[in-house]
Amino acid sequence: GDSVTQMEGPVTLSEEAFLTINCTYTATGYPSLFWYVQYPGEGLQLLLKATKADDKGSNKGFEATYRKETTSFHLEKGSVQVSDSAVYFCAWNSGNTPLVFGKGTRLSVIA
Amino acid sequence: EAGVTQSPTHLIKTRGQQATLRCSPISGHTSVYWYQQALGLGLQFLLWYDEGEERNRGNFPPRFSGRQFPNYSSELNVNALELEDSALYLCASSIGTFTGELFFGEGSRLTVL
Repeated sequence: GDSVTQMEGPVTLSEEAFLTINCTYTATGYPSLFWYVQYPGEGLQLLLKATKADDKGSNKGFEATYRKETTSFHLEKGSVQVSDSAVYFCAWNSGNTPLVFGKGTRLSVIA
Repeated sequence: EAGVTQSPTHLIKTRGQQATLRCSPISGHTSVYWYQQALGLGLQFLLWYDEGEERNRGNFPPRFSGRQFPNYSSELNVNALELEDSALYLCASSIGTFTGELFFGEGSRLTVL
């Protein structure tokens, strides 16, 4: 069925390390893809999105490229900061359907 | 501008009881979504309301129900509570037809003993 698979956490990195969180999706048609972030004590918020193949979403130094051939939307950041510690969720939707979320990946960045 | 607000923040019930959770969307948003965030399971879609009508429903039993009021606020009811209903219930809103961004509240944590 339709789903999102993202790498299991927790992921622990040192400040300034390179971050990759893998995400693959199973969906029919041409979905839009999203990364949401949940900072401690806050509600989920949209981090970035891409709506068609080869689009790159970017925000706050994070990037993800919509790869239709590999059905992937991996999240990357070149140099993480302590303030990036949060839970990251990959998600997709198609047409007017509700967002389908992955299970989330907890990232801890240590100074 | 006020964000999505949910109440109560925490709720403790016992098995078999009923729980009611409330959500106020961002002003001007007509769609409200409910998700369940149980430990280790990510976000599971529960219900979607728009303009007072139920638009979509996730794979949950009928004892999960809700409604949307004329002012677009929403209520989620869970009847005959079971232990596995313990979770964080998240409400989100968007402007009418979904355009890609949901605005989430901080959630209501339901504990069933």
